[in-house]
Amino acid sequence: NAGVTQTPKFQVLKTGQSMTLQCAQDMNHNSMYWYRQDPGMGLRLIYYSASEGTTDKGEVPNGYNVSRLNKREFSLRLESAAPSQTSVYFCASSEYGPPIANTEAFFGQGTRLTVV
Amino acid sequence: TQLLEQSPQFLSIQEGENLTVYCNSSSVFSSLQWYRQEPGEGPVLLVTVVTGGEVKKLKRLTFQFGDARKDSSLHITAAQPGDTGLYLCAGVLTGANNLFFGTGTRLTVIP
Repeated sequence: NAGVTQTPKFQVLKTGQSMTLQCAQDMNHNSMYWYRQDPGMGLRLIYYSASEGTTDKGEVPNGYNVSRLNKREFSLRLESAAPSQTSVYFCASSEYGPPIANTEAFFGQGTRLTVV
Repeated sequence: TQLLEQSPQFLSIQEGENLTVYCNSSSVFSSLQWYRQEPGEGPVLLVTVVTGGEVKKLKRLTFQFGDARKDSSLHITAAQPGDTGLYLCAGVLTGANNLFFGTGTRLTVIP
């Protein structure tokens, strides 16, 4: 019962470096999401993919790109990391949506990213 | 300013006490969810409410959606240490796609 798996769990980047956060789900869900969680801000949607082959911007997309590689995998790329991108990143999936609230969403364990 | 404001931000109570957490907004939501998040984990859905005035119970947890669908509350009866965690409300604005999360209430139940 893996559910939603994110890698890596922790990462430290220098300003200007790039990296890709990986996410995979094994529940055959159609929709996948990337959120960031910051203290006092709650979770904010970065990008989502309502189905394989489609992606759309969420609330805070600047500085990020995504790829829906196939139905299982949805990756988040930081092309040139900035200290403001220091955060905990969560991937989620749901059978259908958005909005995610119309169905049960399952979240990964998160990636704690620090940009110095 | 946050779309959904939760209060209190922090709550520390003794085992066996009752508590209520509030989630308020000036906007109308078509549905609202409550999640619990434990350290190092992602949020886990507790409940979804969709009708104004709706009340749902999950064992010792009672969730209510306001009549005007602008607010919600979570009441825990006889809190237990296992209830410790970050409680998040999240809502979908009427006519929108995005799920907006509240700032969260961090609950600690002391044995």
